[in-house]
Amino acid sequence: GDSVTQMEGPVTLSEEAFLTINCTYTATGYPSLFWYVQYPGEGLQLLLKATKADDKGSNKGFEATYRKETTSFHLEKGSVQVSDSAVYFCALSDRVTDKLIFGTGTRLQVFP
Amino acid sequence: DVKVTQSSRYLVKRTGEKVFLECVQDMDHENMFWYRQDPGLGLRLIYFSYDVKMKEKGDIPEGYSVSREKKERFSLILESASTNQTSMYLCASAGAGGGYTFGSGTRLTVV
Repeated sequence: GDSVTQMEGPVTLSEEAFLTINCTYTATGYPSLFWYVQYPGEGLQLLLKATKADDKGSNKGFEATYRKETTSFHLEKGSVQVSDSAVYFCALSDRVTDKLIFGTGTRLQVFP
Repeated sequence: DVKVTQSSRYLVKRTGEKVFLECVQDMDHENMFWYRQDPGLGLRLIYFSYDVKMKEKGDIPEGYSVSREKKERFSLILESASTNQTSMYLCASAGAGGGYTFGSGTRLTVV
């Protein structure tokens, strides 16, 4: 079945460092791809999404590009802040059922 | 501001109790979902519903049931709580085209 694989965390960075969180997927058909963020004590919030190959989703300085040839949707940010510390989930959505399938999550810790 | 509201942030229940987790959305969404979140396992789908009185099993339905009597409300029921159901439970709703909105979660401890 469909699945999402994320790099294991935690990812520990200093403020203003460059961030990459890897995400690859396995799916039949052409899913939509998402990044969700979960801040401490809260539910998940949609960070960005892409619905077709070569689309780039972006929000709050984060970006991810839908790469069909490598089945990847890596999350990047040029300069992280302490407030970006959270757990990040990559997910895909089956176009027929709208069900979301999540990766295991990657914890990001940013220190001053 | 659109919302998915889960009735409790924290719950402590005893083994064998029947537990109800309530979720209400105000976006007139057709689709609603219950996930549990565990460290190292991510989010796993328990049940989902595409319409009133309709329900479908997700990936881990054993030990759970659901109820959707009204469009805005989707309840998760633990028929007889067990310690391995200690977890964070997340409710979500989605309109056409996807784009889930999540509640803040209910952290359930079964003792």
